[in-house]
Amino acid sequence: TQLLEQSPQFLSIQEGENLTVYCNSSSVFSSLQWYRQEPGEGPVLLVTVVTGGEVKKLKRLTFQFGDARKDSSLHITAAQPGDTGLYLCAGMSNTGNQFYFGTGTSLTVIP
Amino acid sequence: DTEVTQTPKHLVMGMTNKKSLKCEQHMGHRAMYWYKQKAKKPPELMFVYSYEKLSINESVPSRFSPECPNSSLLNLHLHALQPEDSALYLCASSQDRDRGLGGGGYTFGSGTRLTVV
Repeated sequence: TQLLEQSPQFLSIQEGENLTVYCNSSSVFSSLQWYRQEPGEGPVLLVTVVTGGEVKKLKRLTFQFGDARKDSSLHITAAQPGDTGLYLCAGMSNTGNQFYFGTGTSLTVIP
Repeated sequence: DTEVTQTPKHLVMGMTNKKSLKCEQHMGHRAMYWYKQKAKKPPELMFVYSYEKLSINESVPSRFSPECPNSSLLNLHLHALQPEDSALYLCASSQDRDRGLGGGGYTFGSGTRLTVV
């Protein structure tokens, strides 16, 4: 059973376009993280959100944690080729200390 | 030093070989992890070490054998692997097992790209 479902699974867009990646679950999470993984590298932590309704900005990236702490979104404004990579949400369920990765979103930004 | 260092970066081995993957961190983290990742898929947890003791083994076949010689080092010994074991093997660390989230998160190494022939 996959607790964290991401959509879309694959995304290919032109440079300058905006996009949103979703991370959804039927379970409540005490906190969620977003990672970006470039080809040939390990995942790199982008942000941690811990409070329902929280919004965090990191330059052109905006992260939101759902009010009920069951979902999260990542919005990228004016995408650049350097944003290309695998985006992973990850979280620890509220019912225990098990850590889960989402199903992943592979983003390609075409120059 | 805020890195997790993995060696080797690439490894090709035959099904009868014995090899080891190595992971090192000097951040004082007390939890270390091995993950297996196939292309464009999320990492799958294999093992968790907490304070140098194995705390989680996610039903991994015995041909994978982890070892934690001290708080900074984590090894993964490989023996009699199958071609389907070819993948990117990632090591990660966190402050401790229950505080990977909410704090500095998990720090991942760049991985070892393993090919079994």
